[in-house]
Amino acid sequence: SAVISQKPSRDICQRGTSLTIQCQVDSQVTMMFWYRQQPGQSLTLIATANQGSEATYESGFVIDKFPISRPNLTFSTLTVSNMSPEDSSIYLCSVQGAPEETQYFGPGTRLLVL
Amino acid sequence: AQKITQTQPGMFVQEKEAVTLDCTYDTSDPSYGLFWYKQPSSGEMIFLIYQGSYDQQNATEGRYSLNFQKARKSANLVISASQLGDSAMYFCAMREHNAGKSTFGDGTTLTVKP
Repeated sequence: SAVISQKPSRDICQRGTSLTIQCQVDSQVTMMFWYRQQPGQSLTLIATANQGSEATYESGFVIDKFPISRPNLTFSTLTVSNMSPEDSSIYLCSVQGAPEETQYFGPGTRLLVL
Repeated sequence: AQKITQTQPGMFVQEKEAVTLDCTYDTSDPSYGLFWYKQPSSGEMIFLIYQGSYDQQNATEGRYSLNFQKARKSANLVISASQLGDSAMYFCAMREHNAGKSTFGDGTTLTVKP
């Protein structure tokens, strides 16, 4: 299984500012995913980030609001831009080595926007 | 399109007893995987068990087993000998081989009573 770390683990931010979340994996993985989990709800996929190509965003999520970088096979960042209180959530990084493999999650970043 | 249904928002079980968490799915892809994750109050997503659509036997991992009924499109999680530490949110997820991304159910909150 992959070991995944995320930074920061939690943050409190002011509305209108931006926060960049980092995701580091201890092995090379093909697919990385970014999820949002609002309080008391299930996981919602924001985008899929594959190295060497533009991230693929799900319906309702746009690159201007959630820009993603994937510079190599072990690292990715998600930026939450121009934040509002509605962005308060847990943001989870997830990785998968191959289509038939298990998907593993990082510890999450708890974001509170005031 | 993928769809996962967890019909039990909350479940209670007495310590040391077994409990079944329900999950049904819908897909037209003959090749898919089913997963269960545990999310304690700390927020991390912990992988529990995996079942492939072509697997002949039900998956087991320690106290966790997956009751896979392909014709009924159900993939229920059975936890034997419940422990207080099992209290958490449990998510069922499915990934179609062709889709490359997972779909999560709404989750079931399990509370283990002493």
